[in-house]
Amino acid sequence: SQTIHQWPATLVQPVGSPLSLECTVEGTSNPNLYWYRQAAGRGLQLLFYSVGIGQISSEVPQNLSASRPQDRQFILSSKKLLLSDSGFYLCAWSAGTGGGYEQYFGPGTRLTVT
Amino acid sequence: GQNIDQPTEMTATEGAIVQINCTYQTSGFNGLFWYQQHAGEAPTFLSYNVLDGLEEKGRFSSFLSRSKGYSYLLLKELQMKDSASYLCAVKGDYKLSFGAGTTVTVRA
Repeated sequence: SQTIHQWPATLVQPVGSPLSLECTVEGTSNPNLYWYRQAAGRGLQLLFYSVGIGQISSEVPQNLSASRPQDRQFILSSKKLLLSDSGFYLCAWSAGTGGGYEQYFGPGTRLTVT
Repeated sequence: GQNIDQPTEMTATEGAIVQINCTYQTSGFNGLFWYQQHAGEAPTFLSYNVLDGLEEKGRFSSFLSRSKGYSYLLLKELQMKDSASYLCAVKGDYKLSFGAGTTVTVRA
């Protein structure tokens, strides 16, 4: 069966510090991968998605970036965090891009920027 | 663009039925998903509709009307563990767009 891992689970970082969140998927090949952010009391905002190694599409211009160095690894980064970057970061995967492919979410990373 | 609306909060009694409505306006449509999210946890998939009509999965059912841009999630025989946020999400050309979620509180 497929599993998705994210770490760390919680993170407290000062403004201006760098960020690296990692997501890995097991039990499937060539997944579509997604990074979402959920601010308190808000819906999920798609940040990046990837349909293959080295392929990254950005949805929202901001100080975050994403990379996919391996088939089942997705990394979210920032060089300098802002207070507004605080939130619940979720990685997700799907088996395809069509309408019938549901997305499965990892456990999430709760980031607090102080 | 995508515009997805659902009520912010709903409260119901254990054993009752609750219906969560979702209306949407999208530039493309490839299906509608419902997810459940308990506080502090990741969303989990509940249902998927792409054709008009009702899909039933145990105590949960989901309905879609594409011409009206409307869906609902029906939760029957409510249990305390059903207290959670329920997210409506529309699949456009290539991505899911989520509503802000409806927080359902089940009271004894």
